[in-house]
Amino acid sequence: EAGVAQSPRYKIIEKRQSVAFWCNPISGHATLYWYQQILGQGPKLLIQFQNNGVVDDSQLPKDRFSAERLKGVDSTLKIQPAKLEDSAVYLCASSLATGSGNYGYTFGSGTRLTVV
Amino acid sequence: AQSVAQPEDQVNVAEGNPLTVKCTYSVSGNPYLFWYVQYPNRGLQFLLKYITGDNLVKGSYGFEAEFNKSQTSFHLKKPSALVSDSALYFCAVREPYGGATNKLIFGTGTLLAVQP
Repeated sequence: EAGVAQSPRYKIIEKRQSVAFWCNPISGHATLYWYQQILGQGPKLLIQFQNNGVVDDSQLPKDRFSAERLKGVDSTLKIQPAKLEDSAVYLCASSLATGSGNYGYTFGSGTRLTVV
Repeated sequence: AQSVAQPEDQVNVAEGNPLTVKCTYSVSGNPYLFWYVQYPNRGLQFLLKYITGDNLVKGSYGFEAEFNKSQTSFHLKKPSALVSDSALYFCAVREPYGGATNKLIFGTGTLLAVQP
């Protein structure tokens, strides 16, 4: 099966600019996650979708970050305006269902964002 | 709140020697525990998980992990290290089945360096 697709792989922007990342999960995976991985730290969940609904966005900086999954398939994550501290790798992952047993995650390769 | 700790930023081991990457956890109830590996410029790859059953869990690439409830640990092990095992390793915990979400909480990561 195809993996989780993310684009772009790399992005360099100036602070205060906007940027968007795209993720296409594995076909049939109802749950989609966006994680932020700052250099030297473990990934941190930003937002979790179940189909096209938000399950958890408690750690999403909503003043500048937004995400959507309108048709319950692919998703976009946007930052506007970007700050220097947003420099990180943004990882998308998908799984079959929320709260289900031991369904594993599949991660995409990530988008490396550098804000200068 | 759930958390995991990886006390070592880096582990150095000679090729052919056994390796251990440490992880301790804090969670209410029975933990679901995971190990992921991240190679440079790649996404996270699943290695193994503990949900229930035998305390010794075997996973990909010859890795195994031992769940120790009394010590709240889930150390990753391999009997004989390979240079190709050099990567960043993350321990993670998630809510047990029935939780509102199944988000993974990651440790800060341990860099494994295997010298030839």
